[in-house]
Amino acid sequence: DTAVSQTPKYLVTQMGNDKSIKCEQNLGHDTMYWYKQDSKKFLKIMFSYNNKELIINETVPNRFSPKSPDKAHLNLHINSLELGDSAVYFCASSQDSKNIQYFGAGTRLSVL
Amino acid sequence: AQSVSQHNHHVILSEAASLELGCNYSYGGTVNLFWYVQYPGQHLQLLLKYFSGDPLVKGIKGFEAEFIKSKFSFNLRKPSVQWSDTAEYFCAVKGTGGFKTIFGAGTRLFVKA
Repeated sequence: DTAVSQTPKYLVTQMGNDKSIKCEQNLGHDTMYWYKQDSKKFLKIMFSYNNKELIINETVPNRFSPKSPDKAHLNLHINSLELGDSAVYFCASSQDSKNIQYFGAGTRLSVL
Repeated sequence: AQSVSQHNHHVILSEAASLELGCNYSYGGTVNLFWYVQYPGQHLQLLLKYFSGDPLVKGIKGFEAEFIKSKFSFNLRKPSVQWSDTAEYFCAVKGTGGFKTIFGAGTRLFVKA
């Protein structure tokens, strides 16, 4: 009964590969987010969707493409992975404009 | 532009010591303020929040924070820390008119038993 679930939890891959991370929330929230947490623990917003519509798109390489098939899911696809993409990626969701966010457990991506 | 500054990157305390973690933000309008905590190996979770009203807010596990509007600050406090408080603490700010929450760089707290 995990509220925000991400898969996989760990992802180890070679440079140049394409990979996807999936996120699902069962809280009935309208808004979902992807964050990147680098090795210094700095948490940075990447994307946000509200009811399947993109509302936040930070300065992120276009190798990163979010996809929201419905408001309970927000997947992140990454093309041509680079060493600098190694990080922990967190999915989150929120319901109202006050924006209390509920986070997933994170996906630790290691690009070799 | 919005920004959040956390004063201490690393804090080491002994059990029963008092804790204060500083957070200052830069934003021109009304804000919602948050502290999130990330325990080792776990996801971020909400510790406490301020939306309006009493500027002294209480959260889980004995934590509290005070919003001082004139200082653009939202410092986190706990009178007596425990070993289990070892975690990373993130201050976050969201303008009430926008969608984006800005997180500070985090403060890593280590409590010695």
